[in-house]
Amino acid sequence: GDSVTQMEGPVTLSEEAFLTINCTYTATGYPSLFWYVQYPGEGLQLLLKATKADDKGSNKGFEATYRKETTSFHLEKGSVQVSDSAVYFCALRGGGYQKVTFGTGTKLQVIP
Amino acid sequence: GAGVSQSPRYKVAKRGQDVALRCDPISGHVSLFWYQQALGQGPEFLTYFQNEAQLDKSGLPSDRFFAERPEGSVSTLKIQRTQQEDSAVYLCASSLGAGVDEQYFGPGTRLTVT
Repeated sequence: GDSVTQMEGPVTLSEEAFLTINCTYTATGYPSLFWYVQYPGEGLQLLLKATKADDKGSNKGFEATYRKETTSFHLEKGSVQVSDSAVYFCALRGGGYQKVTFGTGTKLQVIP
Repeated sequence: GAGVSQSPRYKVAKRGQDVALRCDPISGHVSLFWYQQALGQGPEFLTYFQNEAQLDKSGLPSDRFFAERPEGSVSTLKIQRTQQEDSAVYLCASSLGAGVDEQYFGPGTRLTVT
């Protein structure tokens, strides 16, 4: 079945550092890929998405590129801020199916 | 506009009790989903409704779990004879259409079974 593997956290970075959170997936067909973010005390929010190979999703300075050849969707940001501290979930939705399969989440802490 | 709301936000149940968790989706959203998120894990799919029809219940972990959406709007997830392993955050999400639209998540109900 479908699965998502993402790097374990917590990840602690200083403000303005470069961020990479690795994510790889296993799926049949051509899934859509997502990054969700969960800020402390809040619900899950969609951060960005990509629906086909080589698409780049971007939002709020974050970006991720759908790499079919390596089955990866790594999240990057050039300069993190304290306000980016949250838990980040990589996820996929298999082609033709409604349900979303999530990774285990990576907690990011940015210190001033 | 109003987002997805869930109630109660927190529920403590003694083992063996029945619980009912409510989800109010965004008005007009056709699709509704329930997920279970254990501590330190990602959400896991439980069930999916398109209007009042439950089209996928493959994620429900046992026959103690039951979900309904009788009028195609509000949904209730019921857990009978709760067990400690049922302790988790239960998330509800809705999406506008019956296709592959973005899912909007509620804040969740944290269930603790003692």
